[in-house]
Amino acid sequence: NAGVTQTPKFRILKIGQSMTLQCTQDMNHNYMYWYRQDPGMGLKLIYYSVGAGITDKGEVPNGYNVSRSTTEDFPLRLELAAPSQTSVYFCASRGGGYYNSPLHFGNGTRLTVT
Amino acid sequence: AQSVAQPEDQVNVAEGNPLTVKCTYSVSGNPYLFWYVQYPNRGLQFLLKYITGDNLVKGSYGFEAEFNKSQTSFHLKKPSALVSDSALYFCAVTPQGRDDKIIFGKGTRLHILP
Repeated sequence: NAGVTQTPKFRILKIGQSMTLQCTQDMNHNYMYWYRQDPGMGLKLIYYSVGAGITDKGEVPNGYNVSRSTTEDFPLRLELAAPSQTSVYFCASRGGGYYNSPLHFGNGTRLTVT
Repeated sequence: AQSVAQPEDQVNVAEGNPLTVKCTYSVSGNPYLFWYVQYPNRGLQFLLKYITGDNLVKGSYGFEAEFNKSQTSFHLKKPSALVSDSALYFCAVTPQGRDDKIIFGKGTRLHILP
């Protein structure tokens, strides 16, 4: 049981490039989330999904896109990367319909945009 | 607006002493409360949760937390700190009836002095 797996672990992008951060979970969780964590700061929610085919914006969605075609996968797409998107990105999941279920986090993707 | 406050950016405690990391919340109804820990270069890990019942809940690694409804607080505690407890700690709240929503505090860095 791998939990939440994120790839890649590290990436350096040039301004204007695009990339997809991958996230997959094997716990059959309905709810999935993408957060970013800037140095010394807390978590900011980018997008979340309550099930396959359903996504919604968080507090900082600009510059990002998501899709949820399967229960397992929740990729995050960066279009036209900007230095402000330099951050550590975390994917998380929780059991759907169980509001007292804790989040399970991946180990993060460290992204640098130069 | 719904929010979670962790009033201390950093807490320093000598090894062997008791520790407290503070958390207060502003959420209507009866929320569900969580503590997470983040070690360097890792995602957040679930420590404990309060749903209902006994106000003192016990979690992983010897941590416990006390729920106080009148003070809207959920402070994290441990009777005897270890150097290995040094990490970043996050308090989080899920409002009742909103199982898709998770509100995080900004985090408190706990530093245990040998």
